[in-house]
Amino acid sequence: GQQLNQSPQSMFIQEGEDVSMNCTSSSIFNTWLWYKQDPGEGPVLLIALYKAGELTSNGRLTAQFGITRKDSFLNISASIPSDVGIYFCAGTHPSGNTPLVFGKGTRLSVIA
Amino acid sequence: DTGVSQNPRHKITKRGQNVTFRCDPISEHNRLYWYRQTLGQGPEFLTYFQNEAQLEKSRLLSDRFSAERPKGSFSTLEIQRTEQGDSAMYLCASSLPGGGSEKLFFGSGTQLSVL
Repeated sequence: GQQLNQSPQSMFIQEGEDVSMNCTSSSIFNTWLWYKQDPGEGPVLLIALYKAGELTSNGRLTAQFGITRKDSFLNISASIPSDVGIYFCAGTHPSGNTPLVFGKGTRLSVIA
Repeated sequence: DTGVSQNPRHKITKRGQNVTFRCDPISEHNRLYWYRQTLGQGPEFLTYFQNEAQLEKSRLLSDRFSAERPKGSFSTLEIQRTEQGDSAMYLCASSLPGGGSEKLFFGSGTQLSVL
């Protein structure tokens, strides 16, 4: 099946720093989505990307759909303590009715 | 609250027992999905419905797993003869049809512990 590889697996940053994480695949994807999950809760949608090269922002978050359609990155600017959580990339494959496939996540810790 | 609702939030059961989880999707969403998530992993797709039709069930983990959505509204996921390896978070999501179908909105999940 389709595999999404996220990096880094985890990161510790100081409050106020910018963060960058990415997601790669061996096959192309039609859409890329980024979710955040807090402990004991379901994932919450942050950003959805639909076209190769698309760059979309949501507040302090910016995500891009790679031009090869095999990767995406998420940036968080000026991190704050509530950014702590696990960030998942997810995508839909062009093969048709394929459900959303998720990566293993990047765990973000913010040190105040 | 108009989000996806899952019940119960937590379930502890003994090995061999049957369990059933319920999901109420966002009211205008006609697609409903079940995912499973184990510690340190991303959500893993199990099955999904469009209205009452179950469109994909080959990813259900074994024949002990079954899901229903009889009236195209709420759904149930049943696990028969539970095993310790079934311990996980079971997530439900829903989405609109057509162009917005890839935007899945998740509930808070049901955490299953099999003793």
